[in-house]
Amino acid sequence: GQQLNQSPQSMFIQEGEDVSMNCTSSSIFNTWLWYKQDPGEGPVLLIALYKAGELTSNGRLTAQFGITRKDSFLNISASIPSDVGIYFCAGGTSYGKLTFGQGTILTVHP
Amino acid sequence: KAGVTQTPRYLIKTRGQQVTLSCSPISGHRSVSWYQQTPGQGLQFLFEYFSETQRNKGNFPGRFSGRQFSNSRSEMNVSTLELGDSALYLCASSPTGEKVGELFFGEGSRLTVL
Repeated sequence: GQQLNQSPQSMFIQEGEDVSMNCTSSSIFNTWLWYKQDPGEGPVLLIALYKAGELTSNGRLTAQFGITRKDSFLNISASIPSDVGIYFCAGGTSYGKLTFGQGTILTVHP
Repeated sequence: KAGVTQTPRYLIKTRGQQVTLSCSPISGHRSVSWYQQTPGQGLQFLFEYFSETQRNKGNFPGRFSGRQFSNSRSEMNVSTLELGDSALYLCASSPTGEKVGELFFGEGSRLTVL
C-alpha cells in the first residue's frame, strides 16, 4: 500500500531556531497536508496544499507541495515553546482518506 | 461552534468482546471519517461516511464496521476484540469530504483490550 516516509523522526532545537521536516512517497497524491498533534488531542490541520508546486504560508509555517506530487516539506521559523508536539504529513487521494507519515516529534528548549 | 465529539473517551474491554464508539461531527458537516492510531502503525484510515453511505474503506478486517445516521452522527463497531485492537480511535469530520484532507479531528476514544 501507499506509505509516506517522514523525516526526521525527532528534533531537539533551541527556541528561536528554524525547523525543517519533509515527507516523501512512492505514490502520487492529489493533496498534501500537515497536521500537529498535542498529547491527548486529535491532530489539528496546519496547512493544506492542493496544487503541485504550491507554496503556502500560515504565520511562521511554510509548506510546499512538490512538483512531482510525491513529496512535501514544512518549515517553521523562529520556533517557540508552544511549537512542541508531533507533526504529521499526510497525502490525500479520495474521500476522507489520508495516508499519514510516522510523525516528527519536535522538542523546543527555552 | 462545537468541535467533533467522541464518546467514550476511555474504555477497557477484554478479548472477544465487542465495542461501539460514537462520534458527533461539527454541526453542518456531513462527512465523517474514522482512523486508528497506534504507536507501531501510526494513523491508519478505517472508513468514511457521507449521507449515511460508506464511500471509502481502508484495509481493515470485517470485524471493523461503521455506520452513519441521518443527523450525520456516526458509530464504529469492533467485534471479537483482539489485543492488537488497543489503540486511539479518532473520528474526523468535514463539510462534504470533497476537499480531501481538511479534516477536523475529535480527541479520540482510547480503547484498551486486555
